[in-house]
Amino acid sequence: DAKTTQPPSMDCAEGRAANLPCNHSTISGNEYVYWYRQIHSQGPQYIIHGLKNNETNEMASLIITEDRKSSTLILPHATLRDTAVYYCIVRPLGTGNQFYFGTGTSLTVIP
Amino acid sequence: GAVVSQHPSWVICKSGTSVKIECRSLDFQATTMFWYRQFPKQSLMLMATSNEGSKATYEQGVEKDKFLINHASLTLSTLTVTSAHPEDSSFYICSGFTSDTQYFGPGTRLTVL
Repeated sequence: DAKTTQPPSMDCAEGRAANLPCNHSTISGNEYVYWYRQIHSQGPQYIIHGLKNNETNEMASLIITEDRKSSTLILPHATLRDTAVYYCIVRPLGTGNQFYFGTGTSLTVIP
Repeated sequence: GAVVSQHPSWVICKSGTSVKIECRSLDFQATTMFWYRQFPKQSLMLMATSNEGSKATYEQGVEKDKFLINHASLTLSTLTVTSAHPEDSSFYICSGFTSDTQYFGPGTRLTVL
């Protein structure tokens, strides 16, 4: 599995967009980029995933660079409830392919 | 998104006893489920992949005789921590796989005294 690199921590003002970067320079052509977040003492929550096109859902947007070596998760209007650890994971599609978590980015939304 | 439940949400046991944790997919069938362990201030560590009707696949360094996994149906996987010791105290999280996405349970906090 490709390794990912994320900044250990970030702050964001409430109401502003939170942009969380992830580097995955060794990503393979068949590997998708997934984002999860974990609020303290809870199970991780799925946010979004994509292959090479930008993706958007009700929670966030995922921007993947053309060379696919990095991506950015965007929370358009951060709230205090978005304070969590955000994990970027790359993995191939398929039922048996595992998700390996890195260290993630601890996002703190500041009032 | 799909819903996964875990039971119990927390458990305290004495050293040397066994503890069973259940993981259920409530609104989907999961041929594959995963078990993770998380120590304080650390990331999730994959312990094993649980496949319905077959033996689990354990990650390197995880003792399969200590962490027994049974995936007897498409909606239920169980993790039994045998002869638990204080160093097994951790947050155990399961997940089910559907629609190319992994959905996680709320976790089980195990404390071994």
